[in-house]
Amino acid sequence: AQTVTQSQPEMSVQEAETVTLSCTYDTSESDYYLFWYKQPPSRQMILVIRQEAYKQQNATENRFSVNFQKAAKSFSLKISDSQLGDAAMYFCAYRRWDNFNKFYFGSGTKLNVKP
Amino acid sequence: NAGVMQNPRHLVRRRGQEARLRCSPMKGHSHVYWYRQLPEEGLKFMVYLQKENIIDESGMPKERFSAEFPKEGPSILRIQQVVRGDSAAYFCASSRGGGDEKLFFGSGTQLSVL
Repeated sequence: AQTVTQSQPEMSVQEAETVTLSCTYDTSESDYYLFWYKQPPSRQMILVIRQEAYKQQNATENRFSVNFQKAAKSFSLKISDSQLGDAAMYFCAYRRWDNFNKFYFGSGTKLNVKP
Repeated sequence: NAGVMQNPRHLVRRRGQEARLRCSPMKGHSHVYWYRQLPEEGLKFMVYLQKENIIDESGMPKERFSAEFPKEGPSILRIQQVVRGDSAAYFCASSRGGGDEKLFFGSGTQLSVL
């Protein structure tokens, strides 16, 4: 079974600095998708970034980038130039390539941003 | 262009009552997914529906829980005879389907069972 592990329940970063959130996963599949979702206090789940496993190049979306290490089954999220609006819960998620939108989520990392 | 709409946002029920949670997918989306989030945990898949069909209900508890997505109207997640352990945030998500993996979430319904 697929499992997603986020080992950091909570992290803090100073405004304008960089922070990295960790995620590891377990799968026997070779093709799959990985995601980072942001959940602010409003509870809305917002897609931050997506990575296809068959792509070696790390995905980037503005200040957000990932370090995808397929052999190590690691998928960390780096947030550069942190802003107060980045404060939220961040969830790492896995989805098999052929399994529609049946996601497996980690337990989340709460990110605090200090002014 | 409204997103995924869930209502109510908060629902309070006493043990033994029924809870009905509604989800209207985004315009043009015919695939609906329900997820449950317990406190301090990530979202867990419950069920995947297309119009008038249940595609995958492997995450649904075998008893008391049911879901539907009729030809007309919103998708409904129904919980009969609620117990305190059912207290959670229930999220609906929708997609166009057909291999499109872009998933859009609603803001969830927080169910509290007294």
